[in-house]
Amino acid sequence: DAGVIQSPRHEVTEMGQEVTLRCKPISGHDYLFWYRQTMMRGLELLIYFNNNVPIDDSGMPEDRFSAKMPNASFSTLKIQPSEPRDSAVYFCASTTSGSSDEQFFGPGTRLTVL
Amino acid sequence: GQQLNQSPQSMFIQEGEDVSMNCTSSSIFNTWLWYKQDPGEGPVLLIALYKAGELTSNGRLTAQFGITRKDSFLNISASIPSDVGIYFCAGAMDSNYQLIWGAGTKLIIKP
Repeated sequence: DAGVIQSPRHEVTEMGQEVTLRCKPISGHDYLFWYRQTMMRGLELLIYFNNNVPIDDSGMPEDRFSAKMPNASFSTLKIQPSEPRDSAVYFCASTTSGSSDEQFFGPGTRLTVL
Repeated sequence: GQQLNQSPQSMFIQEGEDVSMNCTSSSIFNTWLWYKQDPGEGPVLLIALYKAGELTSNGRLTAQFGITRKDSFLNISASIPSDVGIYFCAGAMDSNYQLIWGAGTKLIIKP
């Protein structure tokens, strides 16, 4: 079975540019989570969706960040405009309502904003 | 906000040694999860615990759900080089599927 798929794996961009990160959850999973990981702050939950609907976006740092889930098999996290402090590894994870909280992670996107 | 205290922050061990790490919280959890993250990869679930007092093994790994529901530990027996990585605990308080994460324990095996 395919796991969570994220693209790109690496992204290098310049400050002010728009960045779009993509995620395909495991088929049949109805929860999708976006995390950010940094050395200083560890793993932070940014937003999560249930059945394509955003449930809690309180972790989204600011208005420059937005996330969408247009269908059950695709989600995007967009940063516009990007800033150097956004440099981090961004993970997508998914789970199903019958899995007792077990989340399955993608390989992550390493974002570097110059 | 909710926090998990994970310790130790890092461990330097010899191959073959046993390893122990733990997580504590001031809050009660219904689920404890242990993940391992290799460099350049996402966290991978190792063990999931659902009941207070539960002891679960996965090969050389053993984890326990504390009886107070506020702590959990992970043991690795007879460590091998591929055990190197960062181990995270995570807890869930209720059924909203949000996890509270520890800061991680970095395991390093001395040559």
